[in-house]
Amino acid sequence: DADVTQTPRNRITKTGKRIMLECSQTKGHDRMYWYRQDPGLGLRLIYYSFDVKDINKGEISDGYSVSRQAQAKFSLSLESAIPNQTALYFCATSAETYGATQYFGPGTRLLVL
Amino acid sequence: EDQVTQSPEALRLQEGESSSLNCSYTVSGLRGLFWYRQDPGKGPEFLFTLYSAGEEKEKERLKATLTKKESFLHITAPKPEDSATYLCAVQAVETSGSRLTFGEGTQLTVNP
Repeated sequence: DADVTQTPRNRITKTGKRIMLECSQTKGHDRMYWYRQDPGLGLRLIYYSFDVKDINKGEISDGYSVSRQAQAKFSLSLESAIPNQTALYFCATSAETYGATQYFGPGTRLLVL
Repeated sequence: EDQVTQSPEALRLQEGESSSLNCSYTVSGLRGLFWYRQDPGKGPEFLFTLYSAGEEKEKERLKATLTKKESFLHITAPKPEDSATYLCAVQAVETSGSRLTFGEGTQLTVNP
């Protein structure tokens, strides 16, 4: 089984709808991250969490919110989806150690019409 | 501001034709440089972490090296299954939240 899983893998929604992307991990890591990937812009950090009670904004958090339900679960919500949020979304996890590697999930492909 | 530039954007090789991918970076202080491989429609797969200039790491046909300004990913005698996008990312000492700054990647195609 994969160490980092994301659901759904693909999602089509309409402008103004609220949607939630979910991430689960079995690596036992405390740190979790949400990134989005766009052609020509690379991967950019949306939110990150060091533990259940520690959630922080990344470089592009506007229009998104997150919830850390447990050490192993980190969800990303789009409160009112808009077309420019169409992208690939990745969850990642890492240990707390200095310079720790981030391990990525398989991604969710989101299309906002 | 941390910056990562990868070159070339795309590279086509014949099977067995060795080459190198470049990752140039600007950070206030380097905590780590990471190489990932990404296949279409999939998440980045971790390859290497390099922490200090002069460090080298190898895995099968891949070898990563690091200087104070850039990193190279050398591919020796590539095979078609090495075709993928290779991503470079840096983590700066001053970065809050362990954020990675990614380059846009090099899309490698290896023809049989």
